[in-house]
Amino acid sequence: AQTVTQSQPEMSVQEAETVTLSCTYDTSESDYYLFWYKQPPSRQMILVIRQEAYKQQNATENRFSVNFQKAAKSFSLKISDSQLGDAAMYFCAYRINFGNEKLTFGTGTRLTIIP
Amino acid sequence: SQTIHQWPATLVQPVGSPLSLECTVEGTSNPNLYWYRQAAGRGLQLLFYSVGIGQISSEVPQNLSASRPQDRQFILSSKKLLLSDSGFYLCAWSEGGEQYFGPGTRLTVT
Repeated sequence: AQTVTQSQPEMSVQEAETVTLSCTYDTSESDYYLFWYKQPPSRQMILVIRQEAYKQQNATENRFSVNFQKAAKSFSLKISDSQLGDAAMYFCAYRINFGNEKLTFGTGTRLTIIP
Repeated sequence: SQTIHQWPATLVQPVGSPLSLECTVEGTSNPNLYWYRQAAGRGLQLLFYSVGIGQISSEVPQNLSASRPQDRQFILSSKKLLLSDSGFYLCAWSEGGEQYFGPGTRLTVT
């Protein structure tokens, strides 16, 4: 069974600084997707970034980028120039690239931005 | 554009009472639909998913059930709520490999 592990329950970063959130996963599949979701206090889940396993290039969305290490099964999220609005729970998620598109989530990392 | 609605937003129910949470999606057809539960301070646990009308798959055995009476409607039900059913329930739909979530329902069982 696939598992997703986020070993940092809480992280904090000074405003305008850079922070990296860690995620590791376990799978025997070779074709899959990885995602980072953000859940602010409103509790709405918002997709931040996605990475296809077959792509070697790391995904980037504005201030958000990932470091995808397929062999190590590692998928970290880097947030640059942190802003107060980045404060939220961040969830790493995985799904295989066929079938019913079910997501498996990690337990989340709570990110605090220090003004 | 596609939108997803959930209601009610908040619900307080006594133990043993029935439950019905509704999720509807607009702007798409034949979506895959999902029900997740998030316990306090925890990640999301997939409860049910549906790939079409009347097609429901259960991920976790429990006293909850799901139904999909229409293409874009997904309902989560229970005949008798337990204290352990308290949590935040999220509905989601998928397209193009990505899942999009509704605003959620906070359920408190007292």
